[in-house]
Amino acid sequence: DQQVKQNSPSLSVQEGRISILNCDYTNSMFDYFLWYKKYPAEGPTFLISISSIKDKNEDGRFTVFLNKSAKHLSLHIVPSQPGDSAVYFCAASEDDGTSYGKLTFGQGTILTVHP
Amino acid sequence: DTGVSQDPRHKITKRGQNVTFRCDPISEHNRLYWYRQTLGQGPEFLTYFQNEAQLEKSRLLSDRFSAERPKGSFSTLEIQRTEQGDSAMYLCASRYWEQTQYFGPGTRLLVL
Repeated sequence: DQQVKQNSPSLSVQEGRISILNCDYTNSMFDYFLWYKKYPAEGPTFLISISSIKDKNEDGRFTVFLNKSAKHLSLHIVPSQPGDSAVYFCAASEDDGTSYGKLTFGQGTILTVHP
Repeated sequence: DTGVSQDPRHKITKRGQNVTFRCDPISEHNRLYWYRQTLGQGPEFLTYFQNEAQLEKSRLLSDRFSAERPKGSFSTLEIQRTEQGDSAMYLCASRYWEQTQYFGPGTRLLVL
């Protein structure tokens, strides 16, 4: 049962344009969502997060949007840079005293930004 | 302040051998998680510690796996009688009260 899904295995974007990465979830108990960036042979690097009480969070070039009714979140990167090329994972958690905030990850989307 | 560190970064072992990995979390973080990532997949939760107490274990954690966090600081993950299916990246993450987890660089295990 895949509770977090990233349906696009890969995305290719031109430098300077917008990158939009999508993520869907099924568990309505998730209350916190995160995006991580990962290079091969390294651990995930935290990018941005959003609580379920918000619908948008912005940090520099990165913006995350949350649509709770659709159980959908997206990460926008504007403008995209070649250094953004990596695998992007969305993750979700619930911290209710029994789930202890463990993260459930999507399968990842490979972003390639062409110069 | 250093981030989460893991040791070793790489481990090659023969099937049937035991291996142990170490994780040092960010110093003030009292919550520590272990995950496993295989090729083409996102990380999957293995186990969770709050201070020295192991409070949750995934069904993925067979009885050949054991984890400890004896003084509520560093943690170890041991795999006994390794199998080829144990080959993966083992990731450690830590957090304090807020929900963002910070990951270490991982230990890549190859079982021959």
